Formats: sequence, structure tokens, C-alpha cells
Amino acid sequence: NAGVTQTPKFQVLKTGQSMTLQCAQDMNHEYMSWYRQDPGMGLRLIHYSVGAGITDQGEVPNGYNVSRSTTEDFPLRLLSAAPSQTSVYFCASSYSLGQSNYGYTFGSGTRLTVV
Amino acid sequence: AQSVTQLDSHVSVSEGTPVLLRCNYSSSYSPSLFWYVQHPNKGLQLLLKYTSAATLVKGINGFEAEFKKSETSFHLTKPSAHMSDAAEYFCVVSTGGSYIPTFGRGTSLIVHP
Repeated sequence: NAGVTQTPKFQVLKTGQSMTLQCAQDMNHEYMSWYRQDPGMGLRLIHYSVGAGITDQGEVPNGYNVSRSTTEDFPLRLLSAAPSQTSVYFCASSYSLGQSNYGYTFGSGTRLTVV
Repeated sequence: AQSVTQLDSHVSVSEGTPVLLRCNYSSSYSPSLFWYVQHPNKGLQLLLKYTSAATLVKGINGFEAEFKKSETSFHLTKPSAHMSDAAEYFCVVSTGGSYIPTFGRGTSLIVHP
């Protein structure tokens, strides 16, 4: 009954470093996504996936890569960290039946600081 | 296309008084609507969801919301606020069976003793 698990919870990077934020879900959800949350900006979609092997860009994809090799895992890679990527990152998963979306389950977040 | 507008960035109430958080949406097809709550330094938790069944939706912790198609609204209410309700609340819309939601900017609920 883990839901969506994100690691790490906190991370400090130096400008130019790369890292991978991990996201795993155990609910067999087709849809997984990454958001960043900044003060006054709400949640903004970075990348999403509607199934293994299928990914697409969201609203703010620059500087980030994703892959979806399995249904369970959806890692987010920061290629060369910049101070503008200081944010709280959330992973979410979901499923739909017909014309109804049954809601999104969020991870607990990763607080990233780039110095 | 879809969009959502949370009409108040902050709502301040006294403990024990009713809560009203307002949300209007725009959707070109049958929407799925959600309210999420985020307590400080926490993730987002689903409060309730509307997915084309009953228009009055009951959620956790005494919250409920009514889907009004004619007004394109999905306002969140609670009869009596508790101190633990102080948090950020997000209204979310997705269209049809789409996986891609649109989030409102959030409403900060402040509860005074």
C-alpha cells in the first residue's frame, strides 16, 4: 500500500551538476507525471507518460529528461542543474476509465536547491 | 481546452464558521473535477472528486462540493472550520478521460481561533 514513492526528499546540487529524481508507484497506473511547485505559480507540468515507452512534454520541459521503461517507474533527470530549477518536485500517477479520470495520487515531494 | 480559476487566493475564517472556497472551470467536454489539499511542507491529498455521477460530492474531513454545470462551478464547502483545515487548496480539472489535468493557482485557507 505504498502509493507513489519519491526519492530523495531533499537534495542540494551545485550549478552544472546532474541528478535523477526517482518516482515509483505500485498501483499499476498508466499515467505518471512530474510537476514543479514554485511560490505563487501553482503546479506546473514538466513531463508526463501515458504508459511504458511513451513520454511527452508538459508546460515547462526545458532542462529535464524522462523515460518510462516500466509501468512502475518514471525517473526525472536534471541534465545540468541551474538555480532556476530550485523548486519542490512532485510525481503523480493516475488512471482513467472511459470518460472519467479517477484522480491523481501524489508523492510526498522532493525539495531541490541548486546553488 | 480546459482551464480552472480559483476566485480567491486567500480565505480567512474563524474556527467553527463555514468555509467556502470558489472554483470555476472551463471544459470543452465532460469534465472530471477534483479538490486537493496541501498542508505546509506536505504532498497533495485528494479531498474529493466529481466524475459525472452525483452532482453533490462528499469528501474527507467533512468537506463537500457541488458540481453546477450551468454555472461552470465546483465550489468547496465545509459547515464548520477546524484549525487543522488551515492549508492550501487546489481545484483541478481534466477533460473527458484525459490524463492531463489543469491546476488552479490555489487558495490559502487561514483559520483563526
